Amino acid sequence: DQQVKQNSPSLSVQEGRISILNCDYTNSMFDYFLWYKKYPAEGPTFLISISSIKDKNEDGRFTVFLNKSAKHLSLHIVPSQPGDSAVYFCAASAGGTSYGKLTFGQGTILTVHP
Amino acid sequence: DGGITQSPKYLFRKEGQNVTLSCEQNLNHDAMYWYRQDPGQGLRLIYYSQIVNDFQKGDIAEGYSVSREKKESFPLTVTSAQKNPTAFYLCASSSGQGSSEAFFGQGTRLTVV
Repeated sequence: DQQVKQNSPSLSVQEGRISILNCDYTNSMFDYFLWYKKYPAEGPTFLISISSIKDKNEDGRFTVFLNKSAKHLSLHIVPSQPGDSAVYFCAASAGGTSYGKLTFGQGTILTVHP
Repeated sequence: DGGITQSPKYLFRKEGQNVTLSCEQNLNHDAMYWYRQDPGQGLRLIYYSQIVNDFQKGDIAEGYSVSREKKESFPLTVTSAQKNPTAFYLCASSSGQGSSEAFFGQGTRLTVV
């Protein structure tokens, strides 16, 4: 049972344009959502997060949007840069005693072309 | 420098042998986690520990064992009972205090031949 899904295995974007990565979840208990960036053979690095009490969170070029009624979140990267090319994972947590216990999506490979 | 250290980065073992992966953190985090990544898949939780001397099974605990004798250390043993042990293993930690942000180590690539 895949509770967090990233339905696009890959995304290709031109440098300077917007990258939009999508994520859907099924568990209504999830109340905290995170995005991680990962390069091959390395550990994921934290990018940005959002609590379920918000619908938007911005950090520089990265913005995460949360639509609780649709159980959907997205990561916007504007403008995209070649260095953004990596695998992006969406993750969710149910909070309470589950803080830090994350459920991950399958990942989306982002390629930003110069 | 605070962080999470996993060793070794690459590990080769013969089929049927147990192997232990090391994970140490100096972030003073209460909670630690082990995840496994397979090609084309997301990270799946093996075991986690929210406090010293206590740990719980994750989604794919069969064939693995852990211990948490010290706050800083959370070693993972891949036993011979694990049917498909070849994978990329990631250790993480979090403060566990109202924050779900987990910090990851650089991973250990285990290959069983």
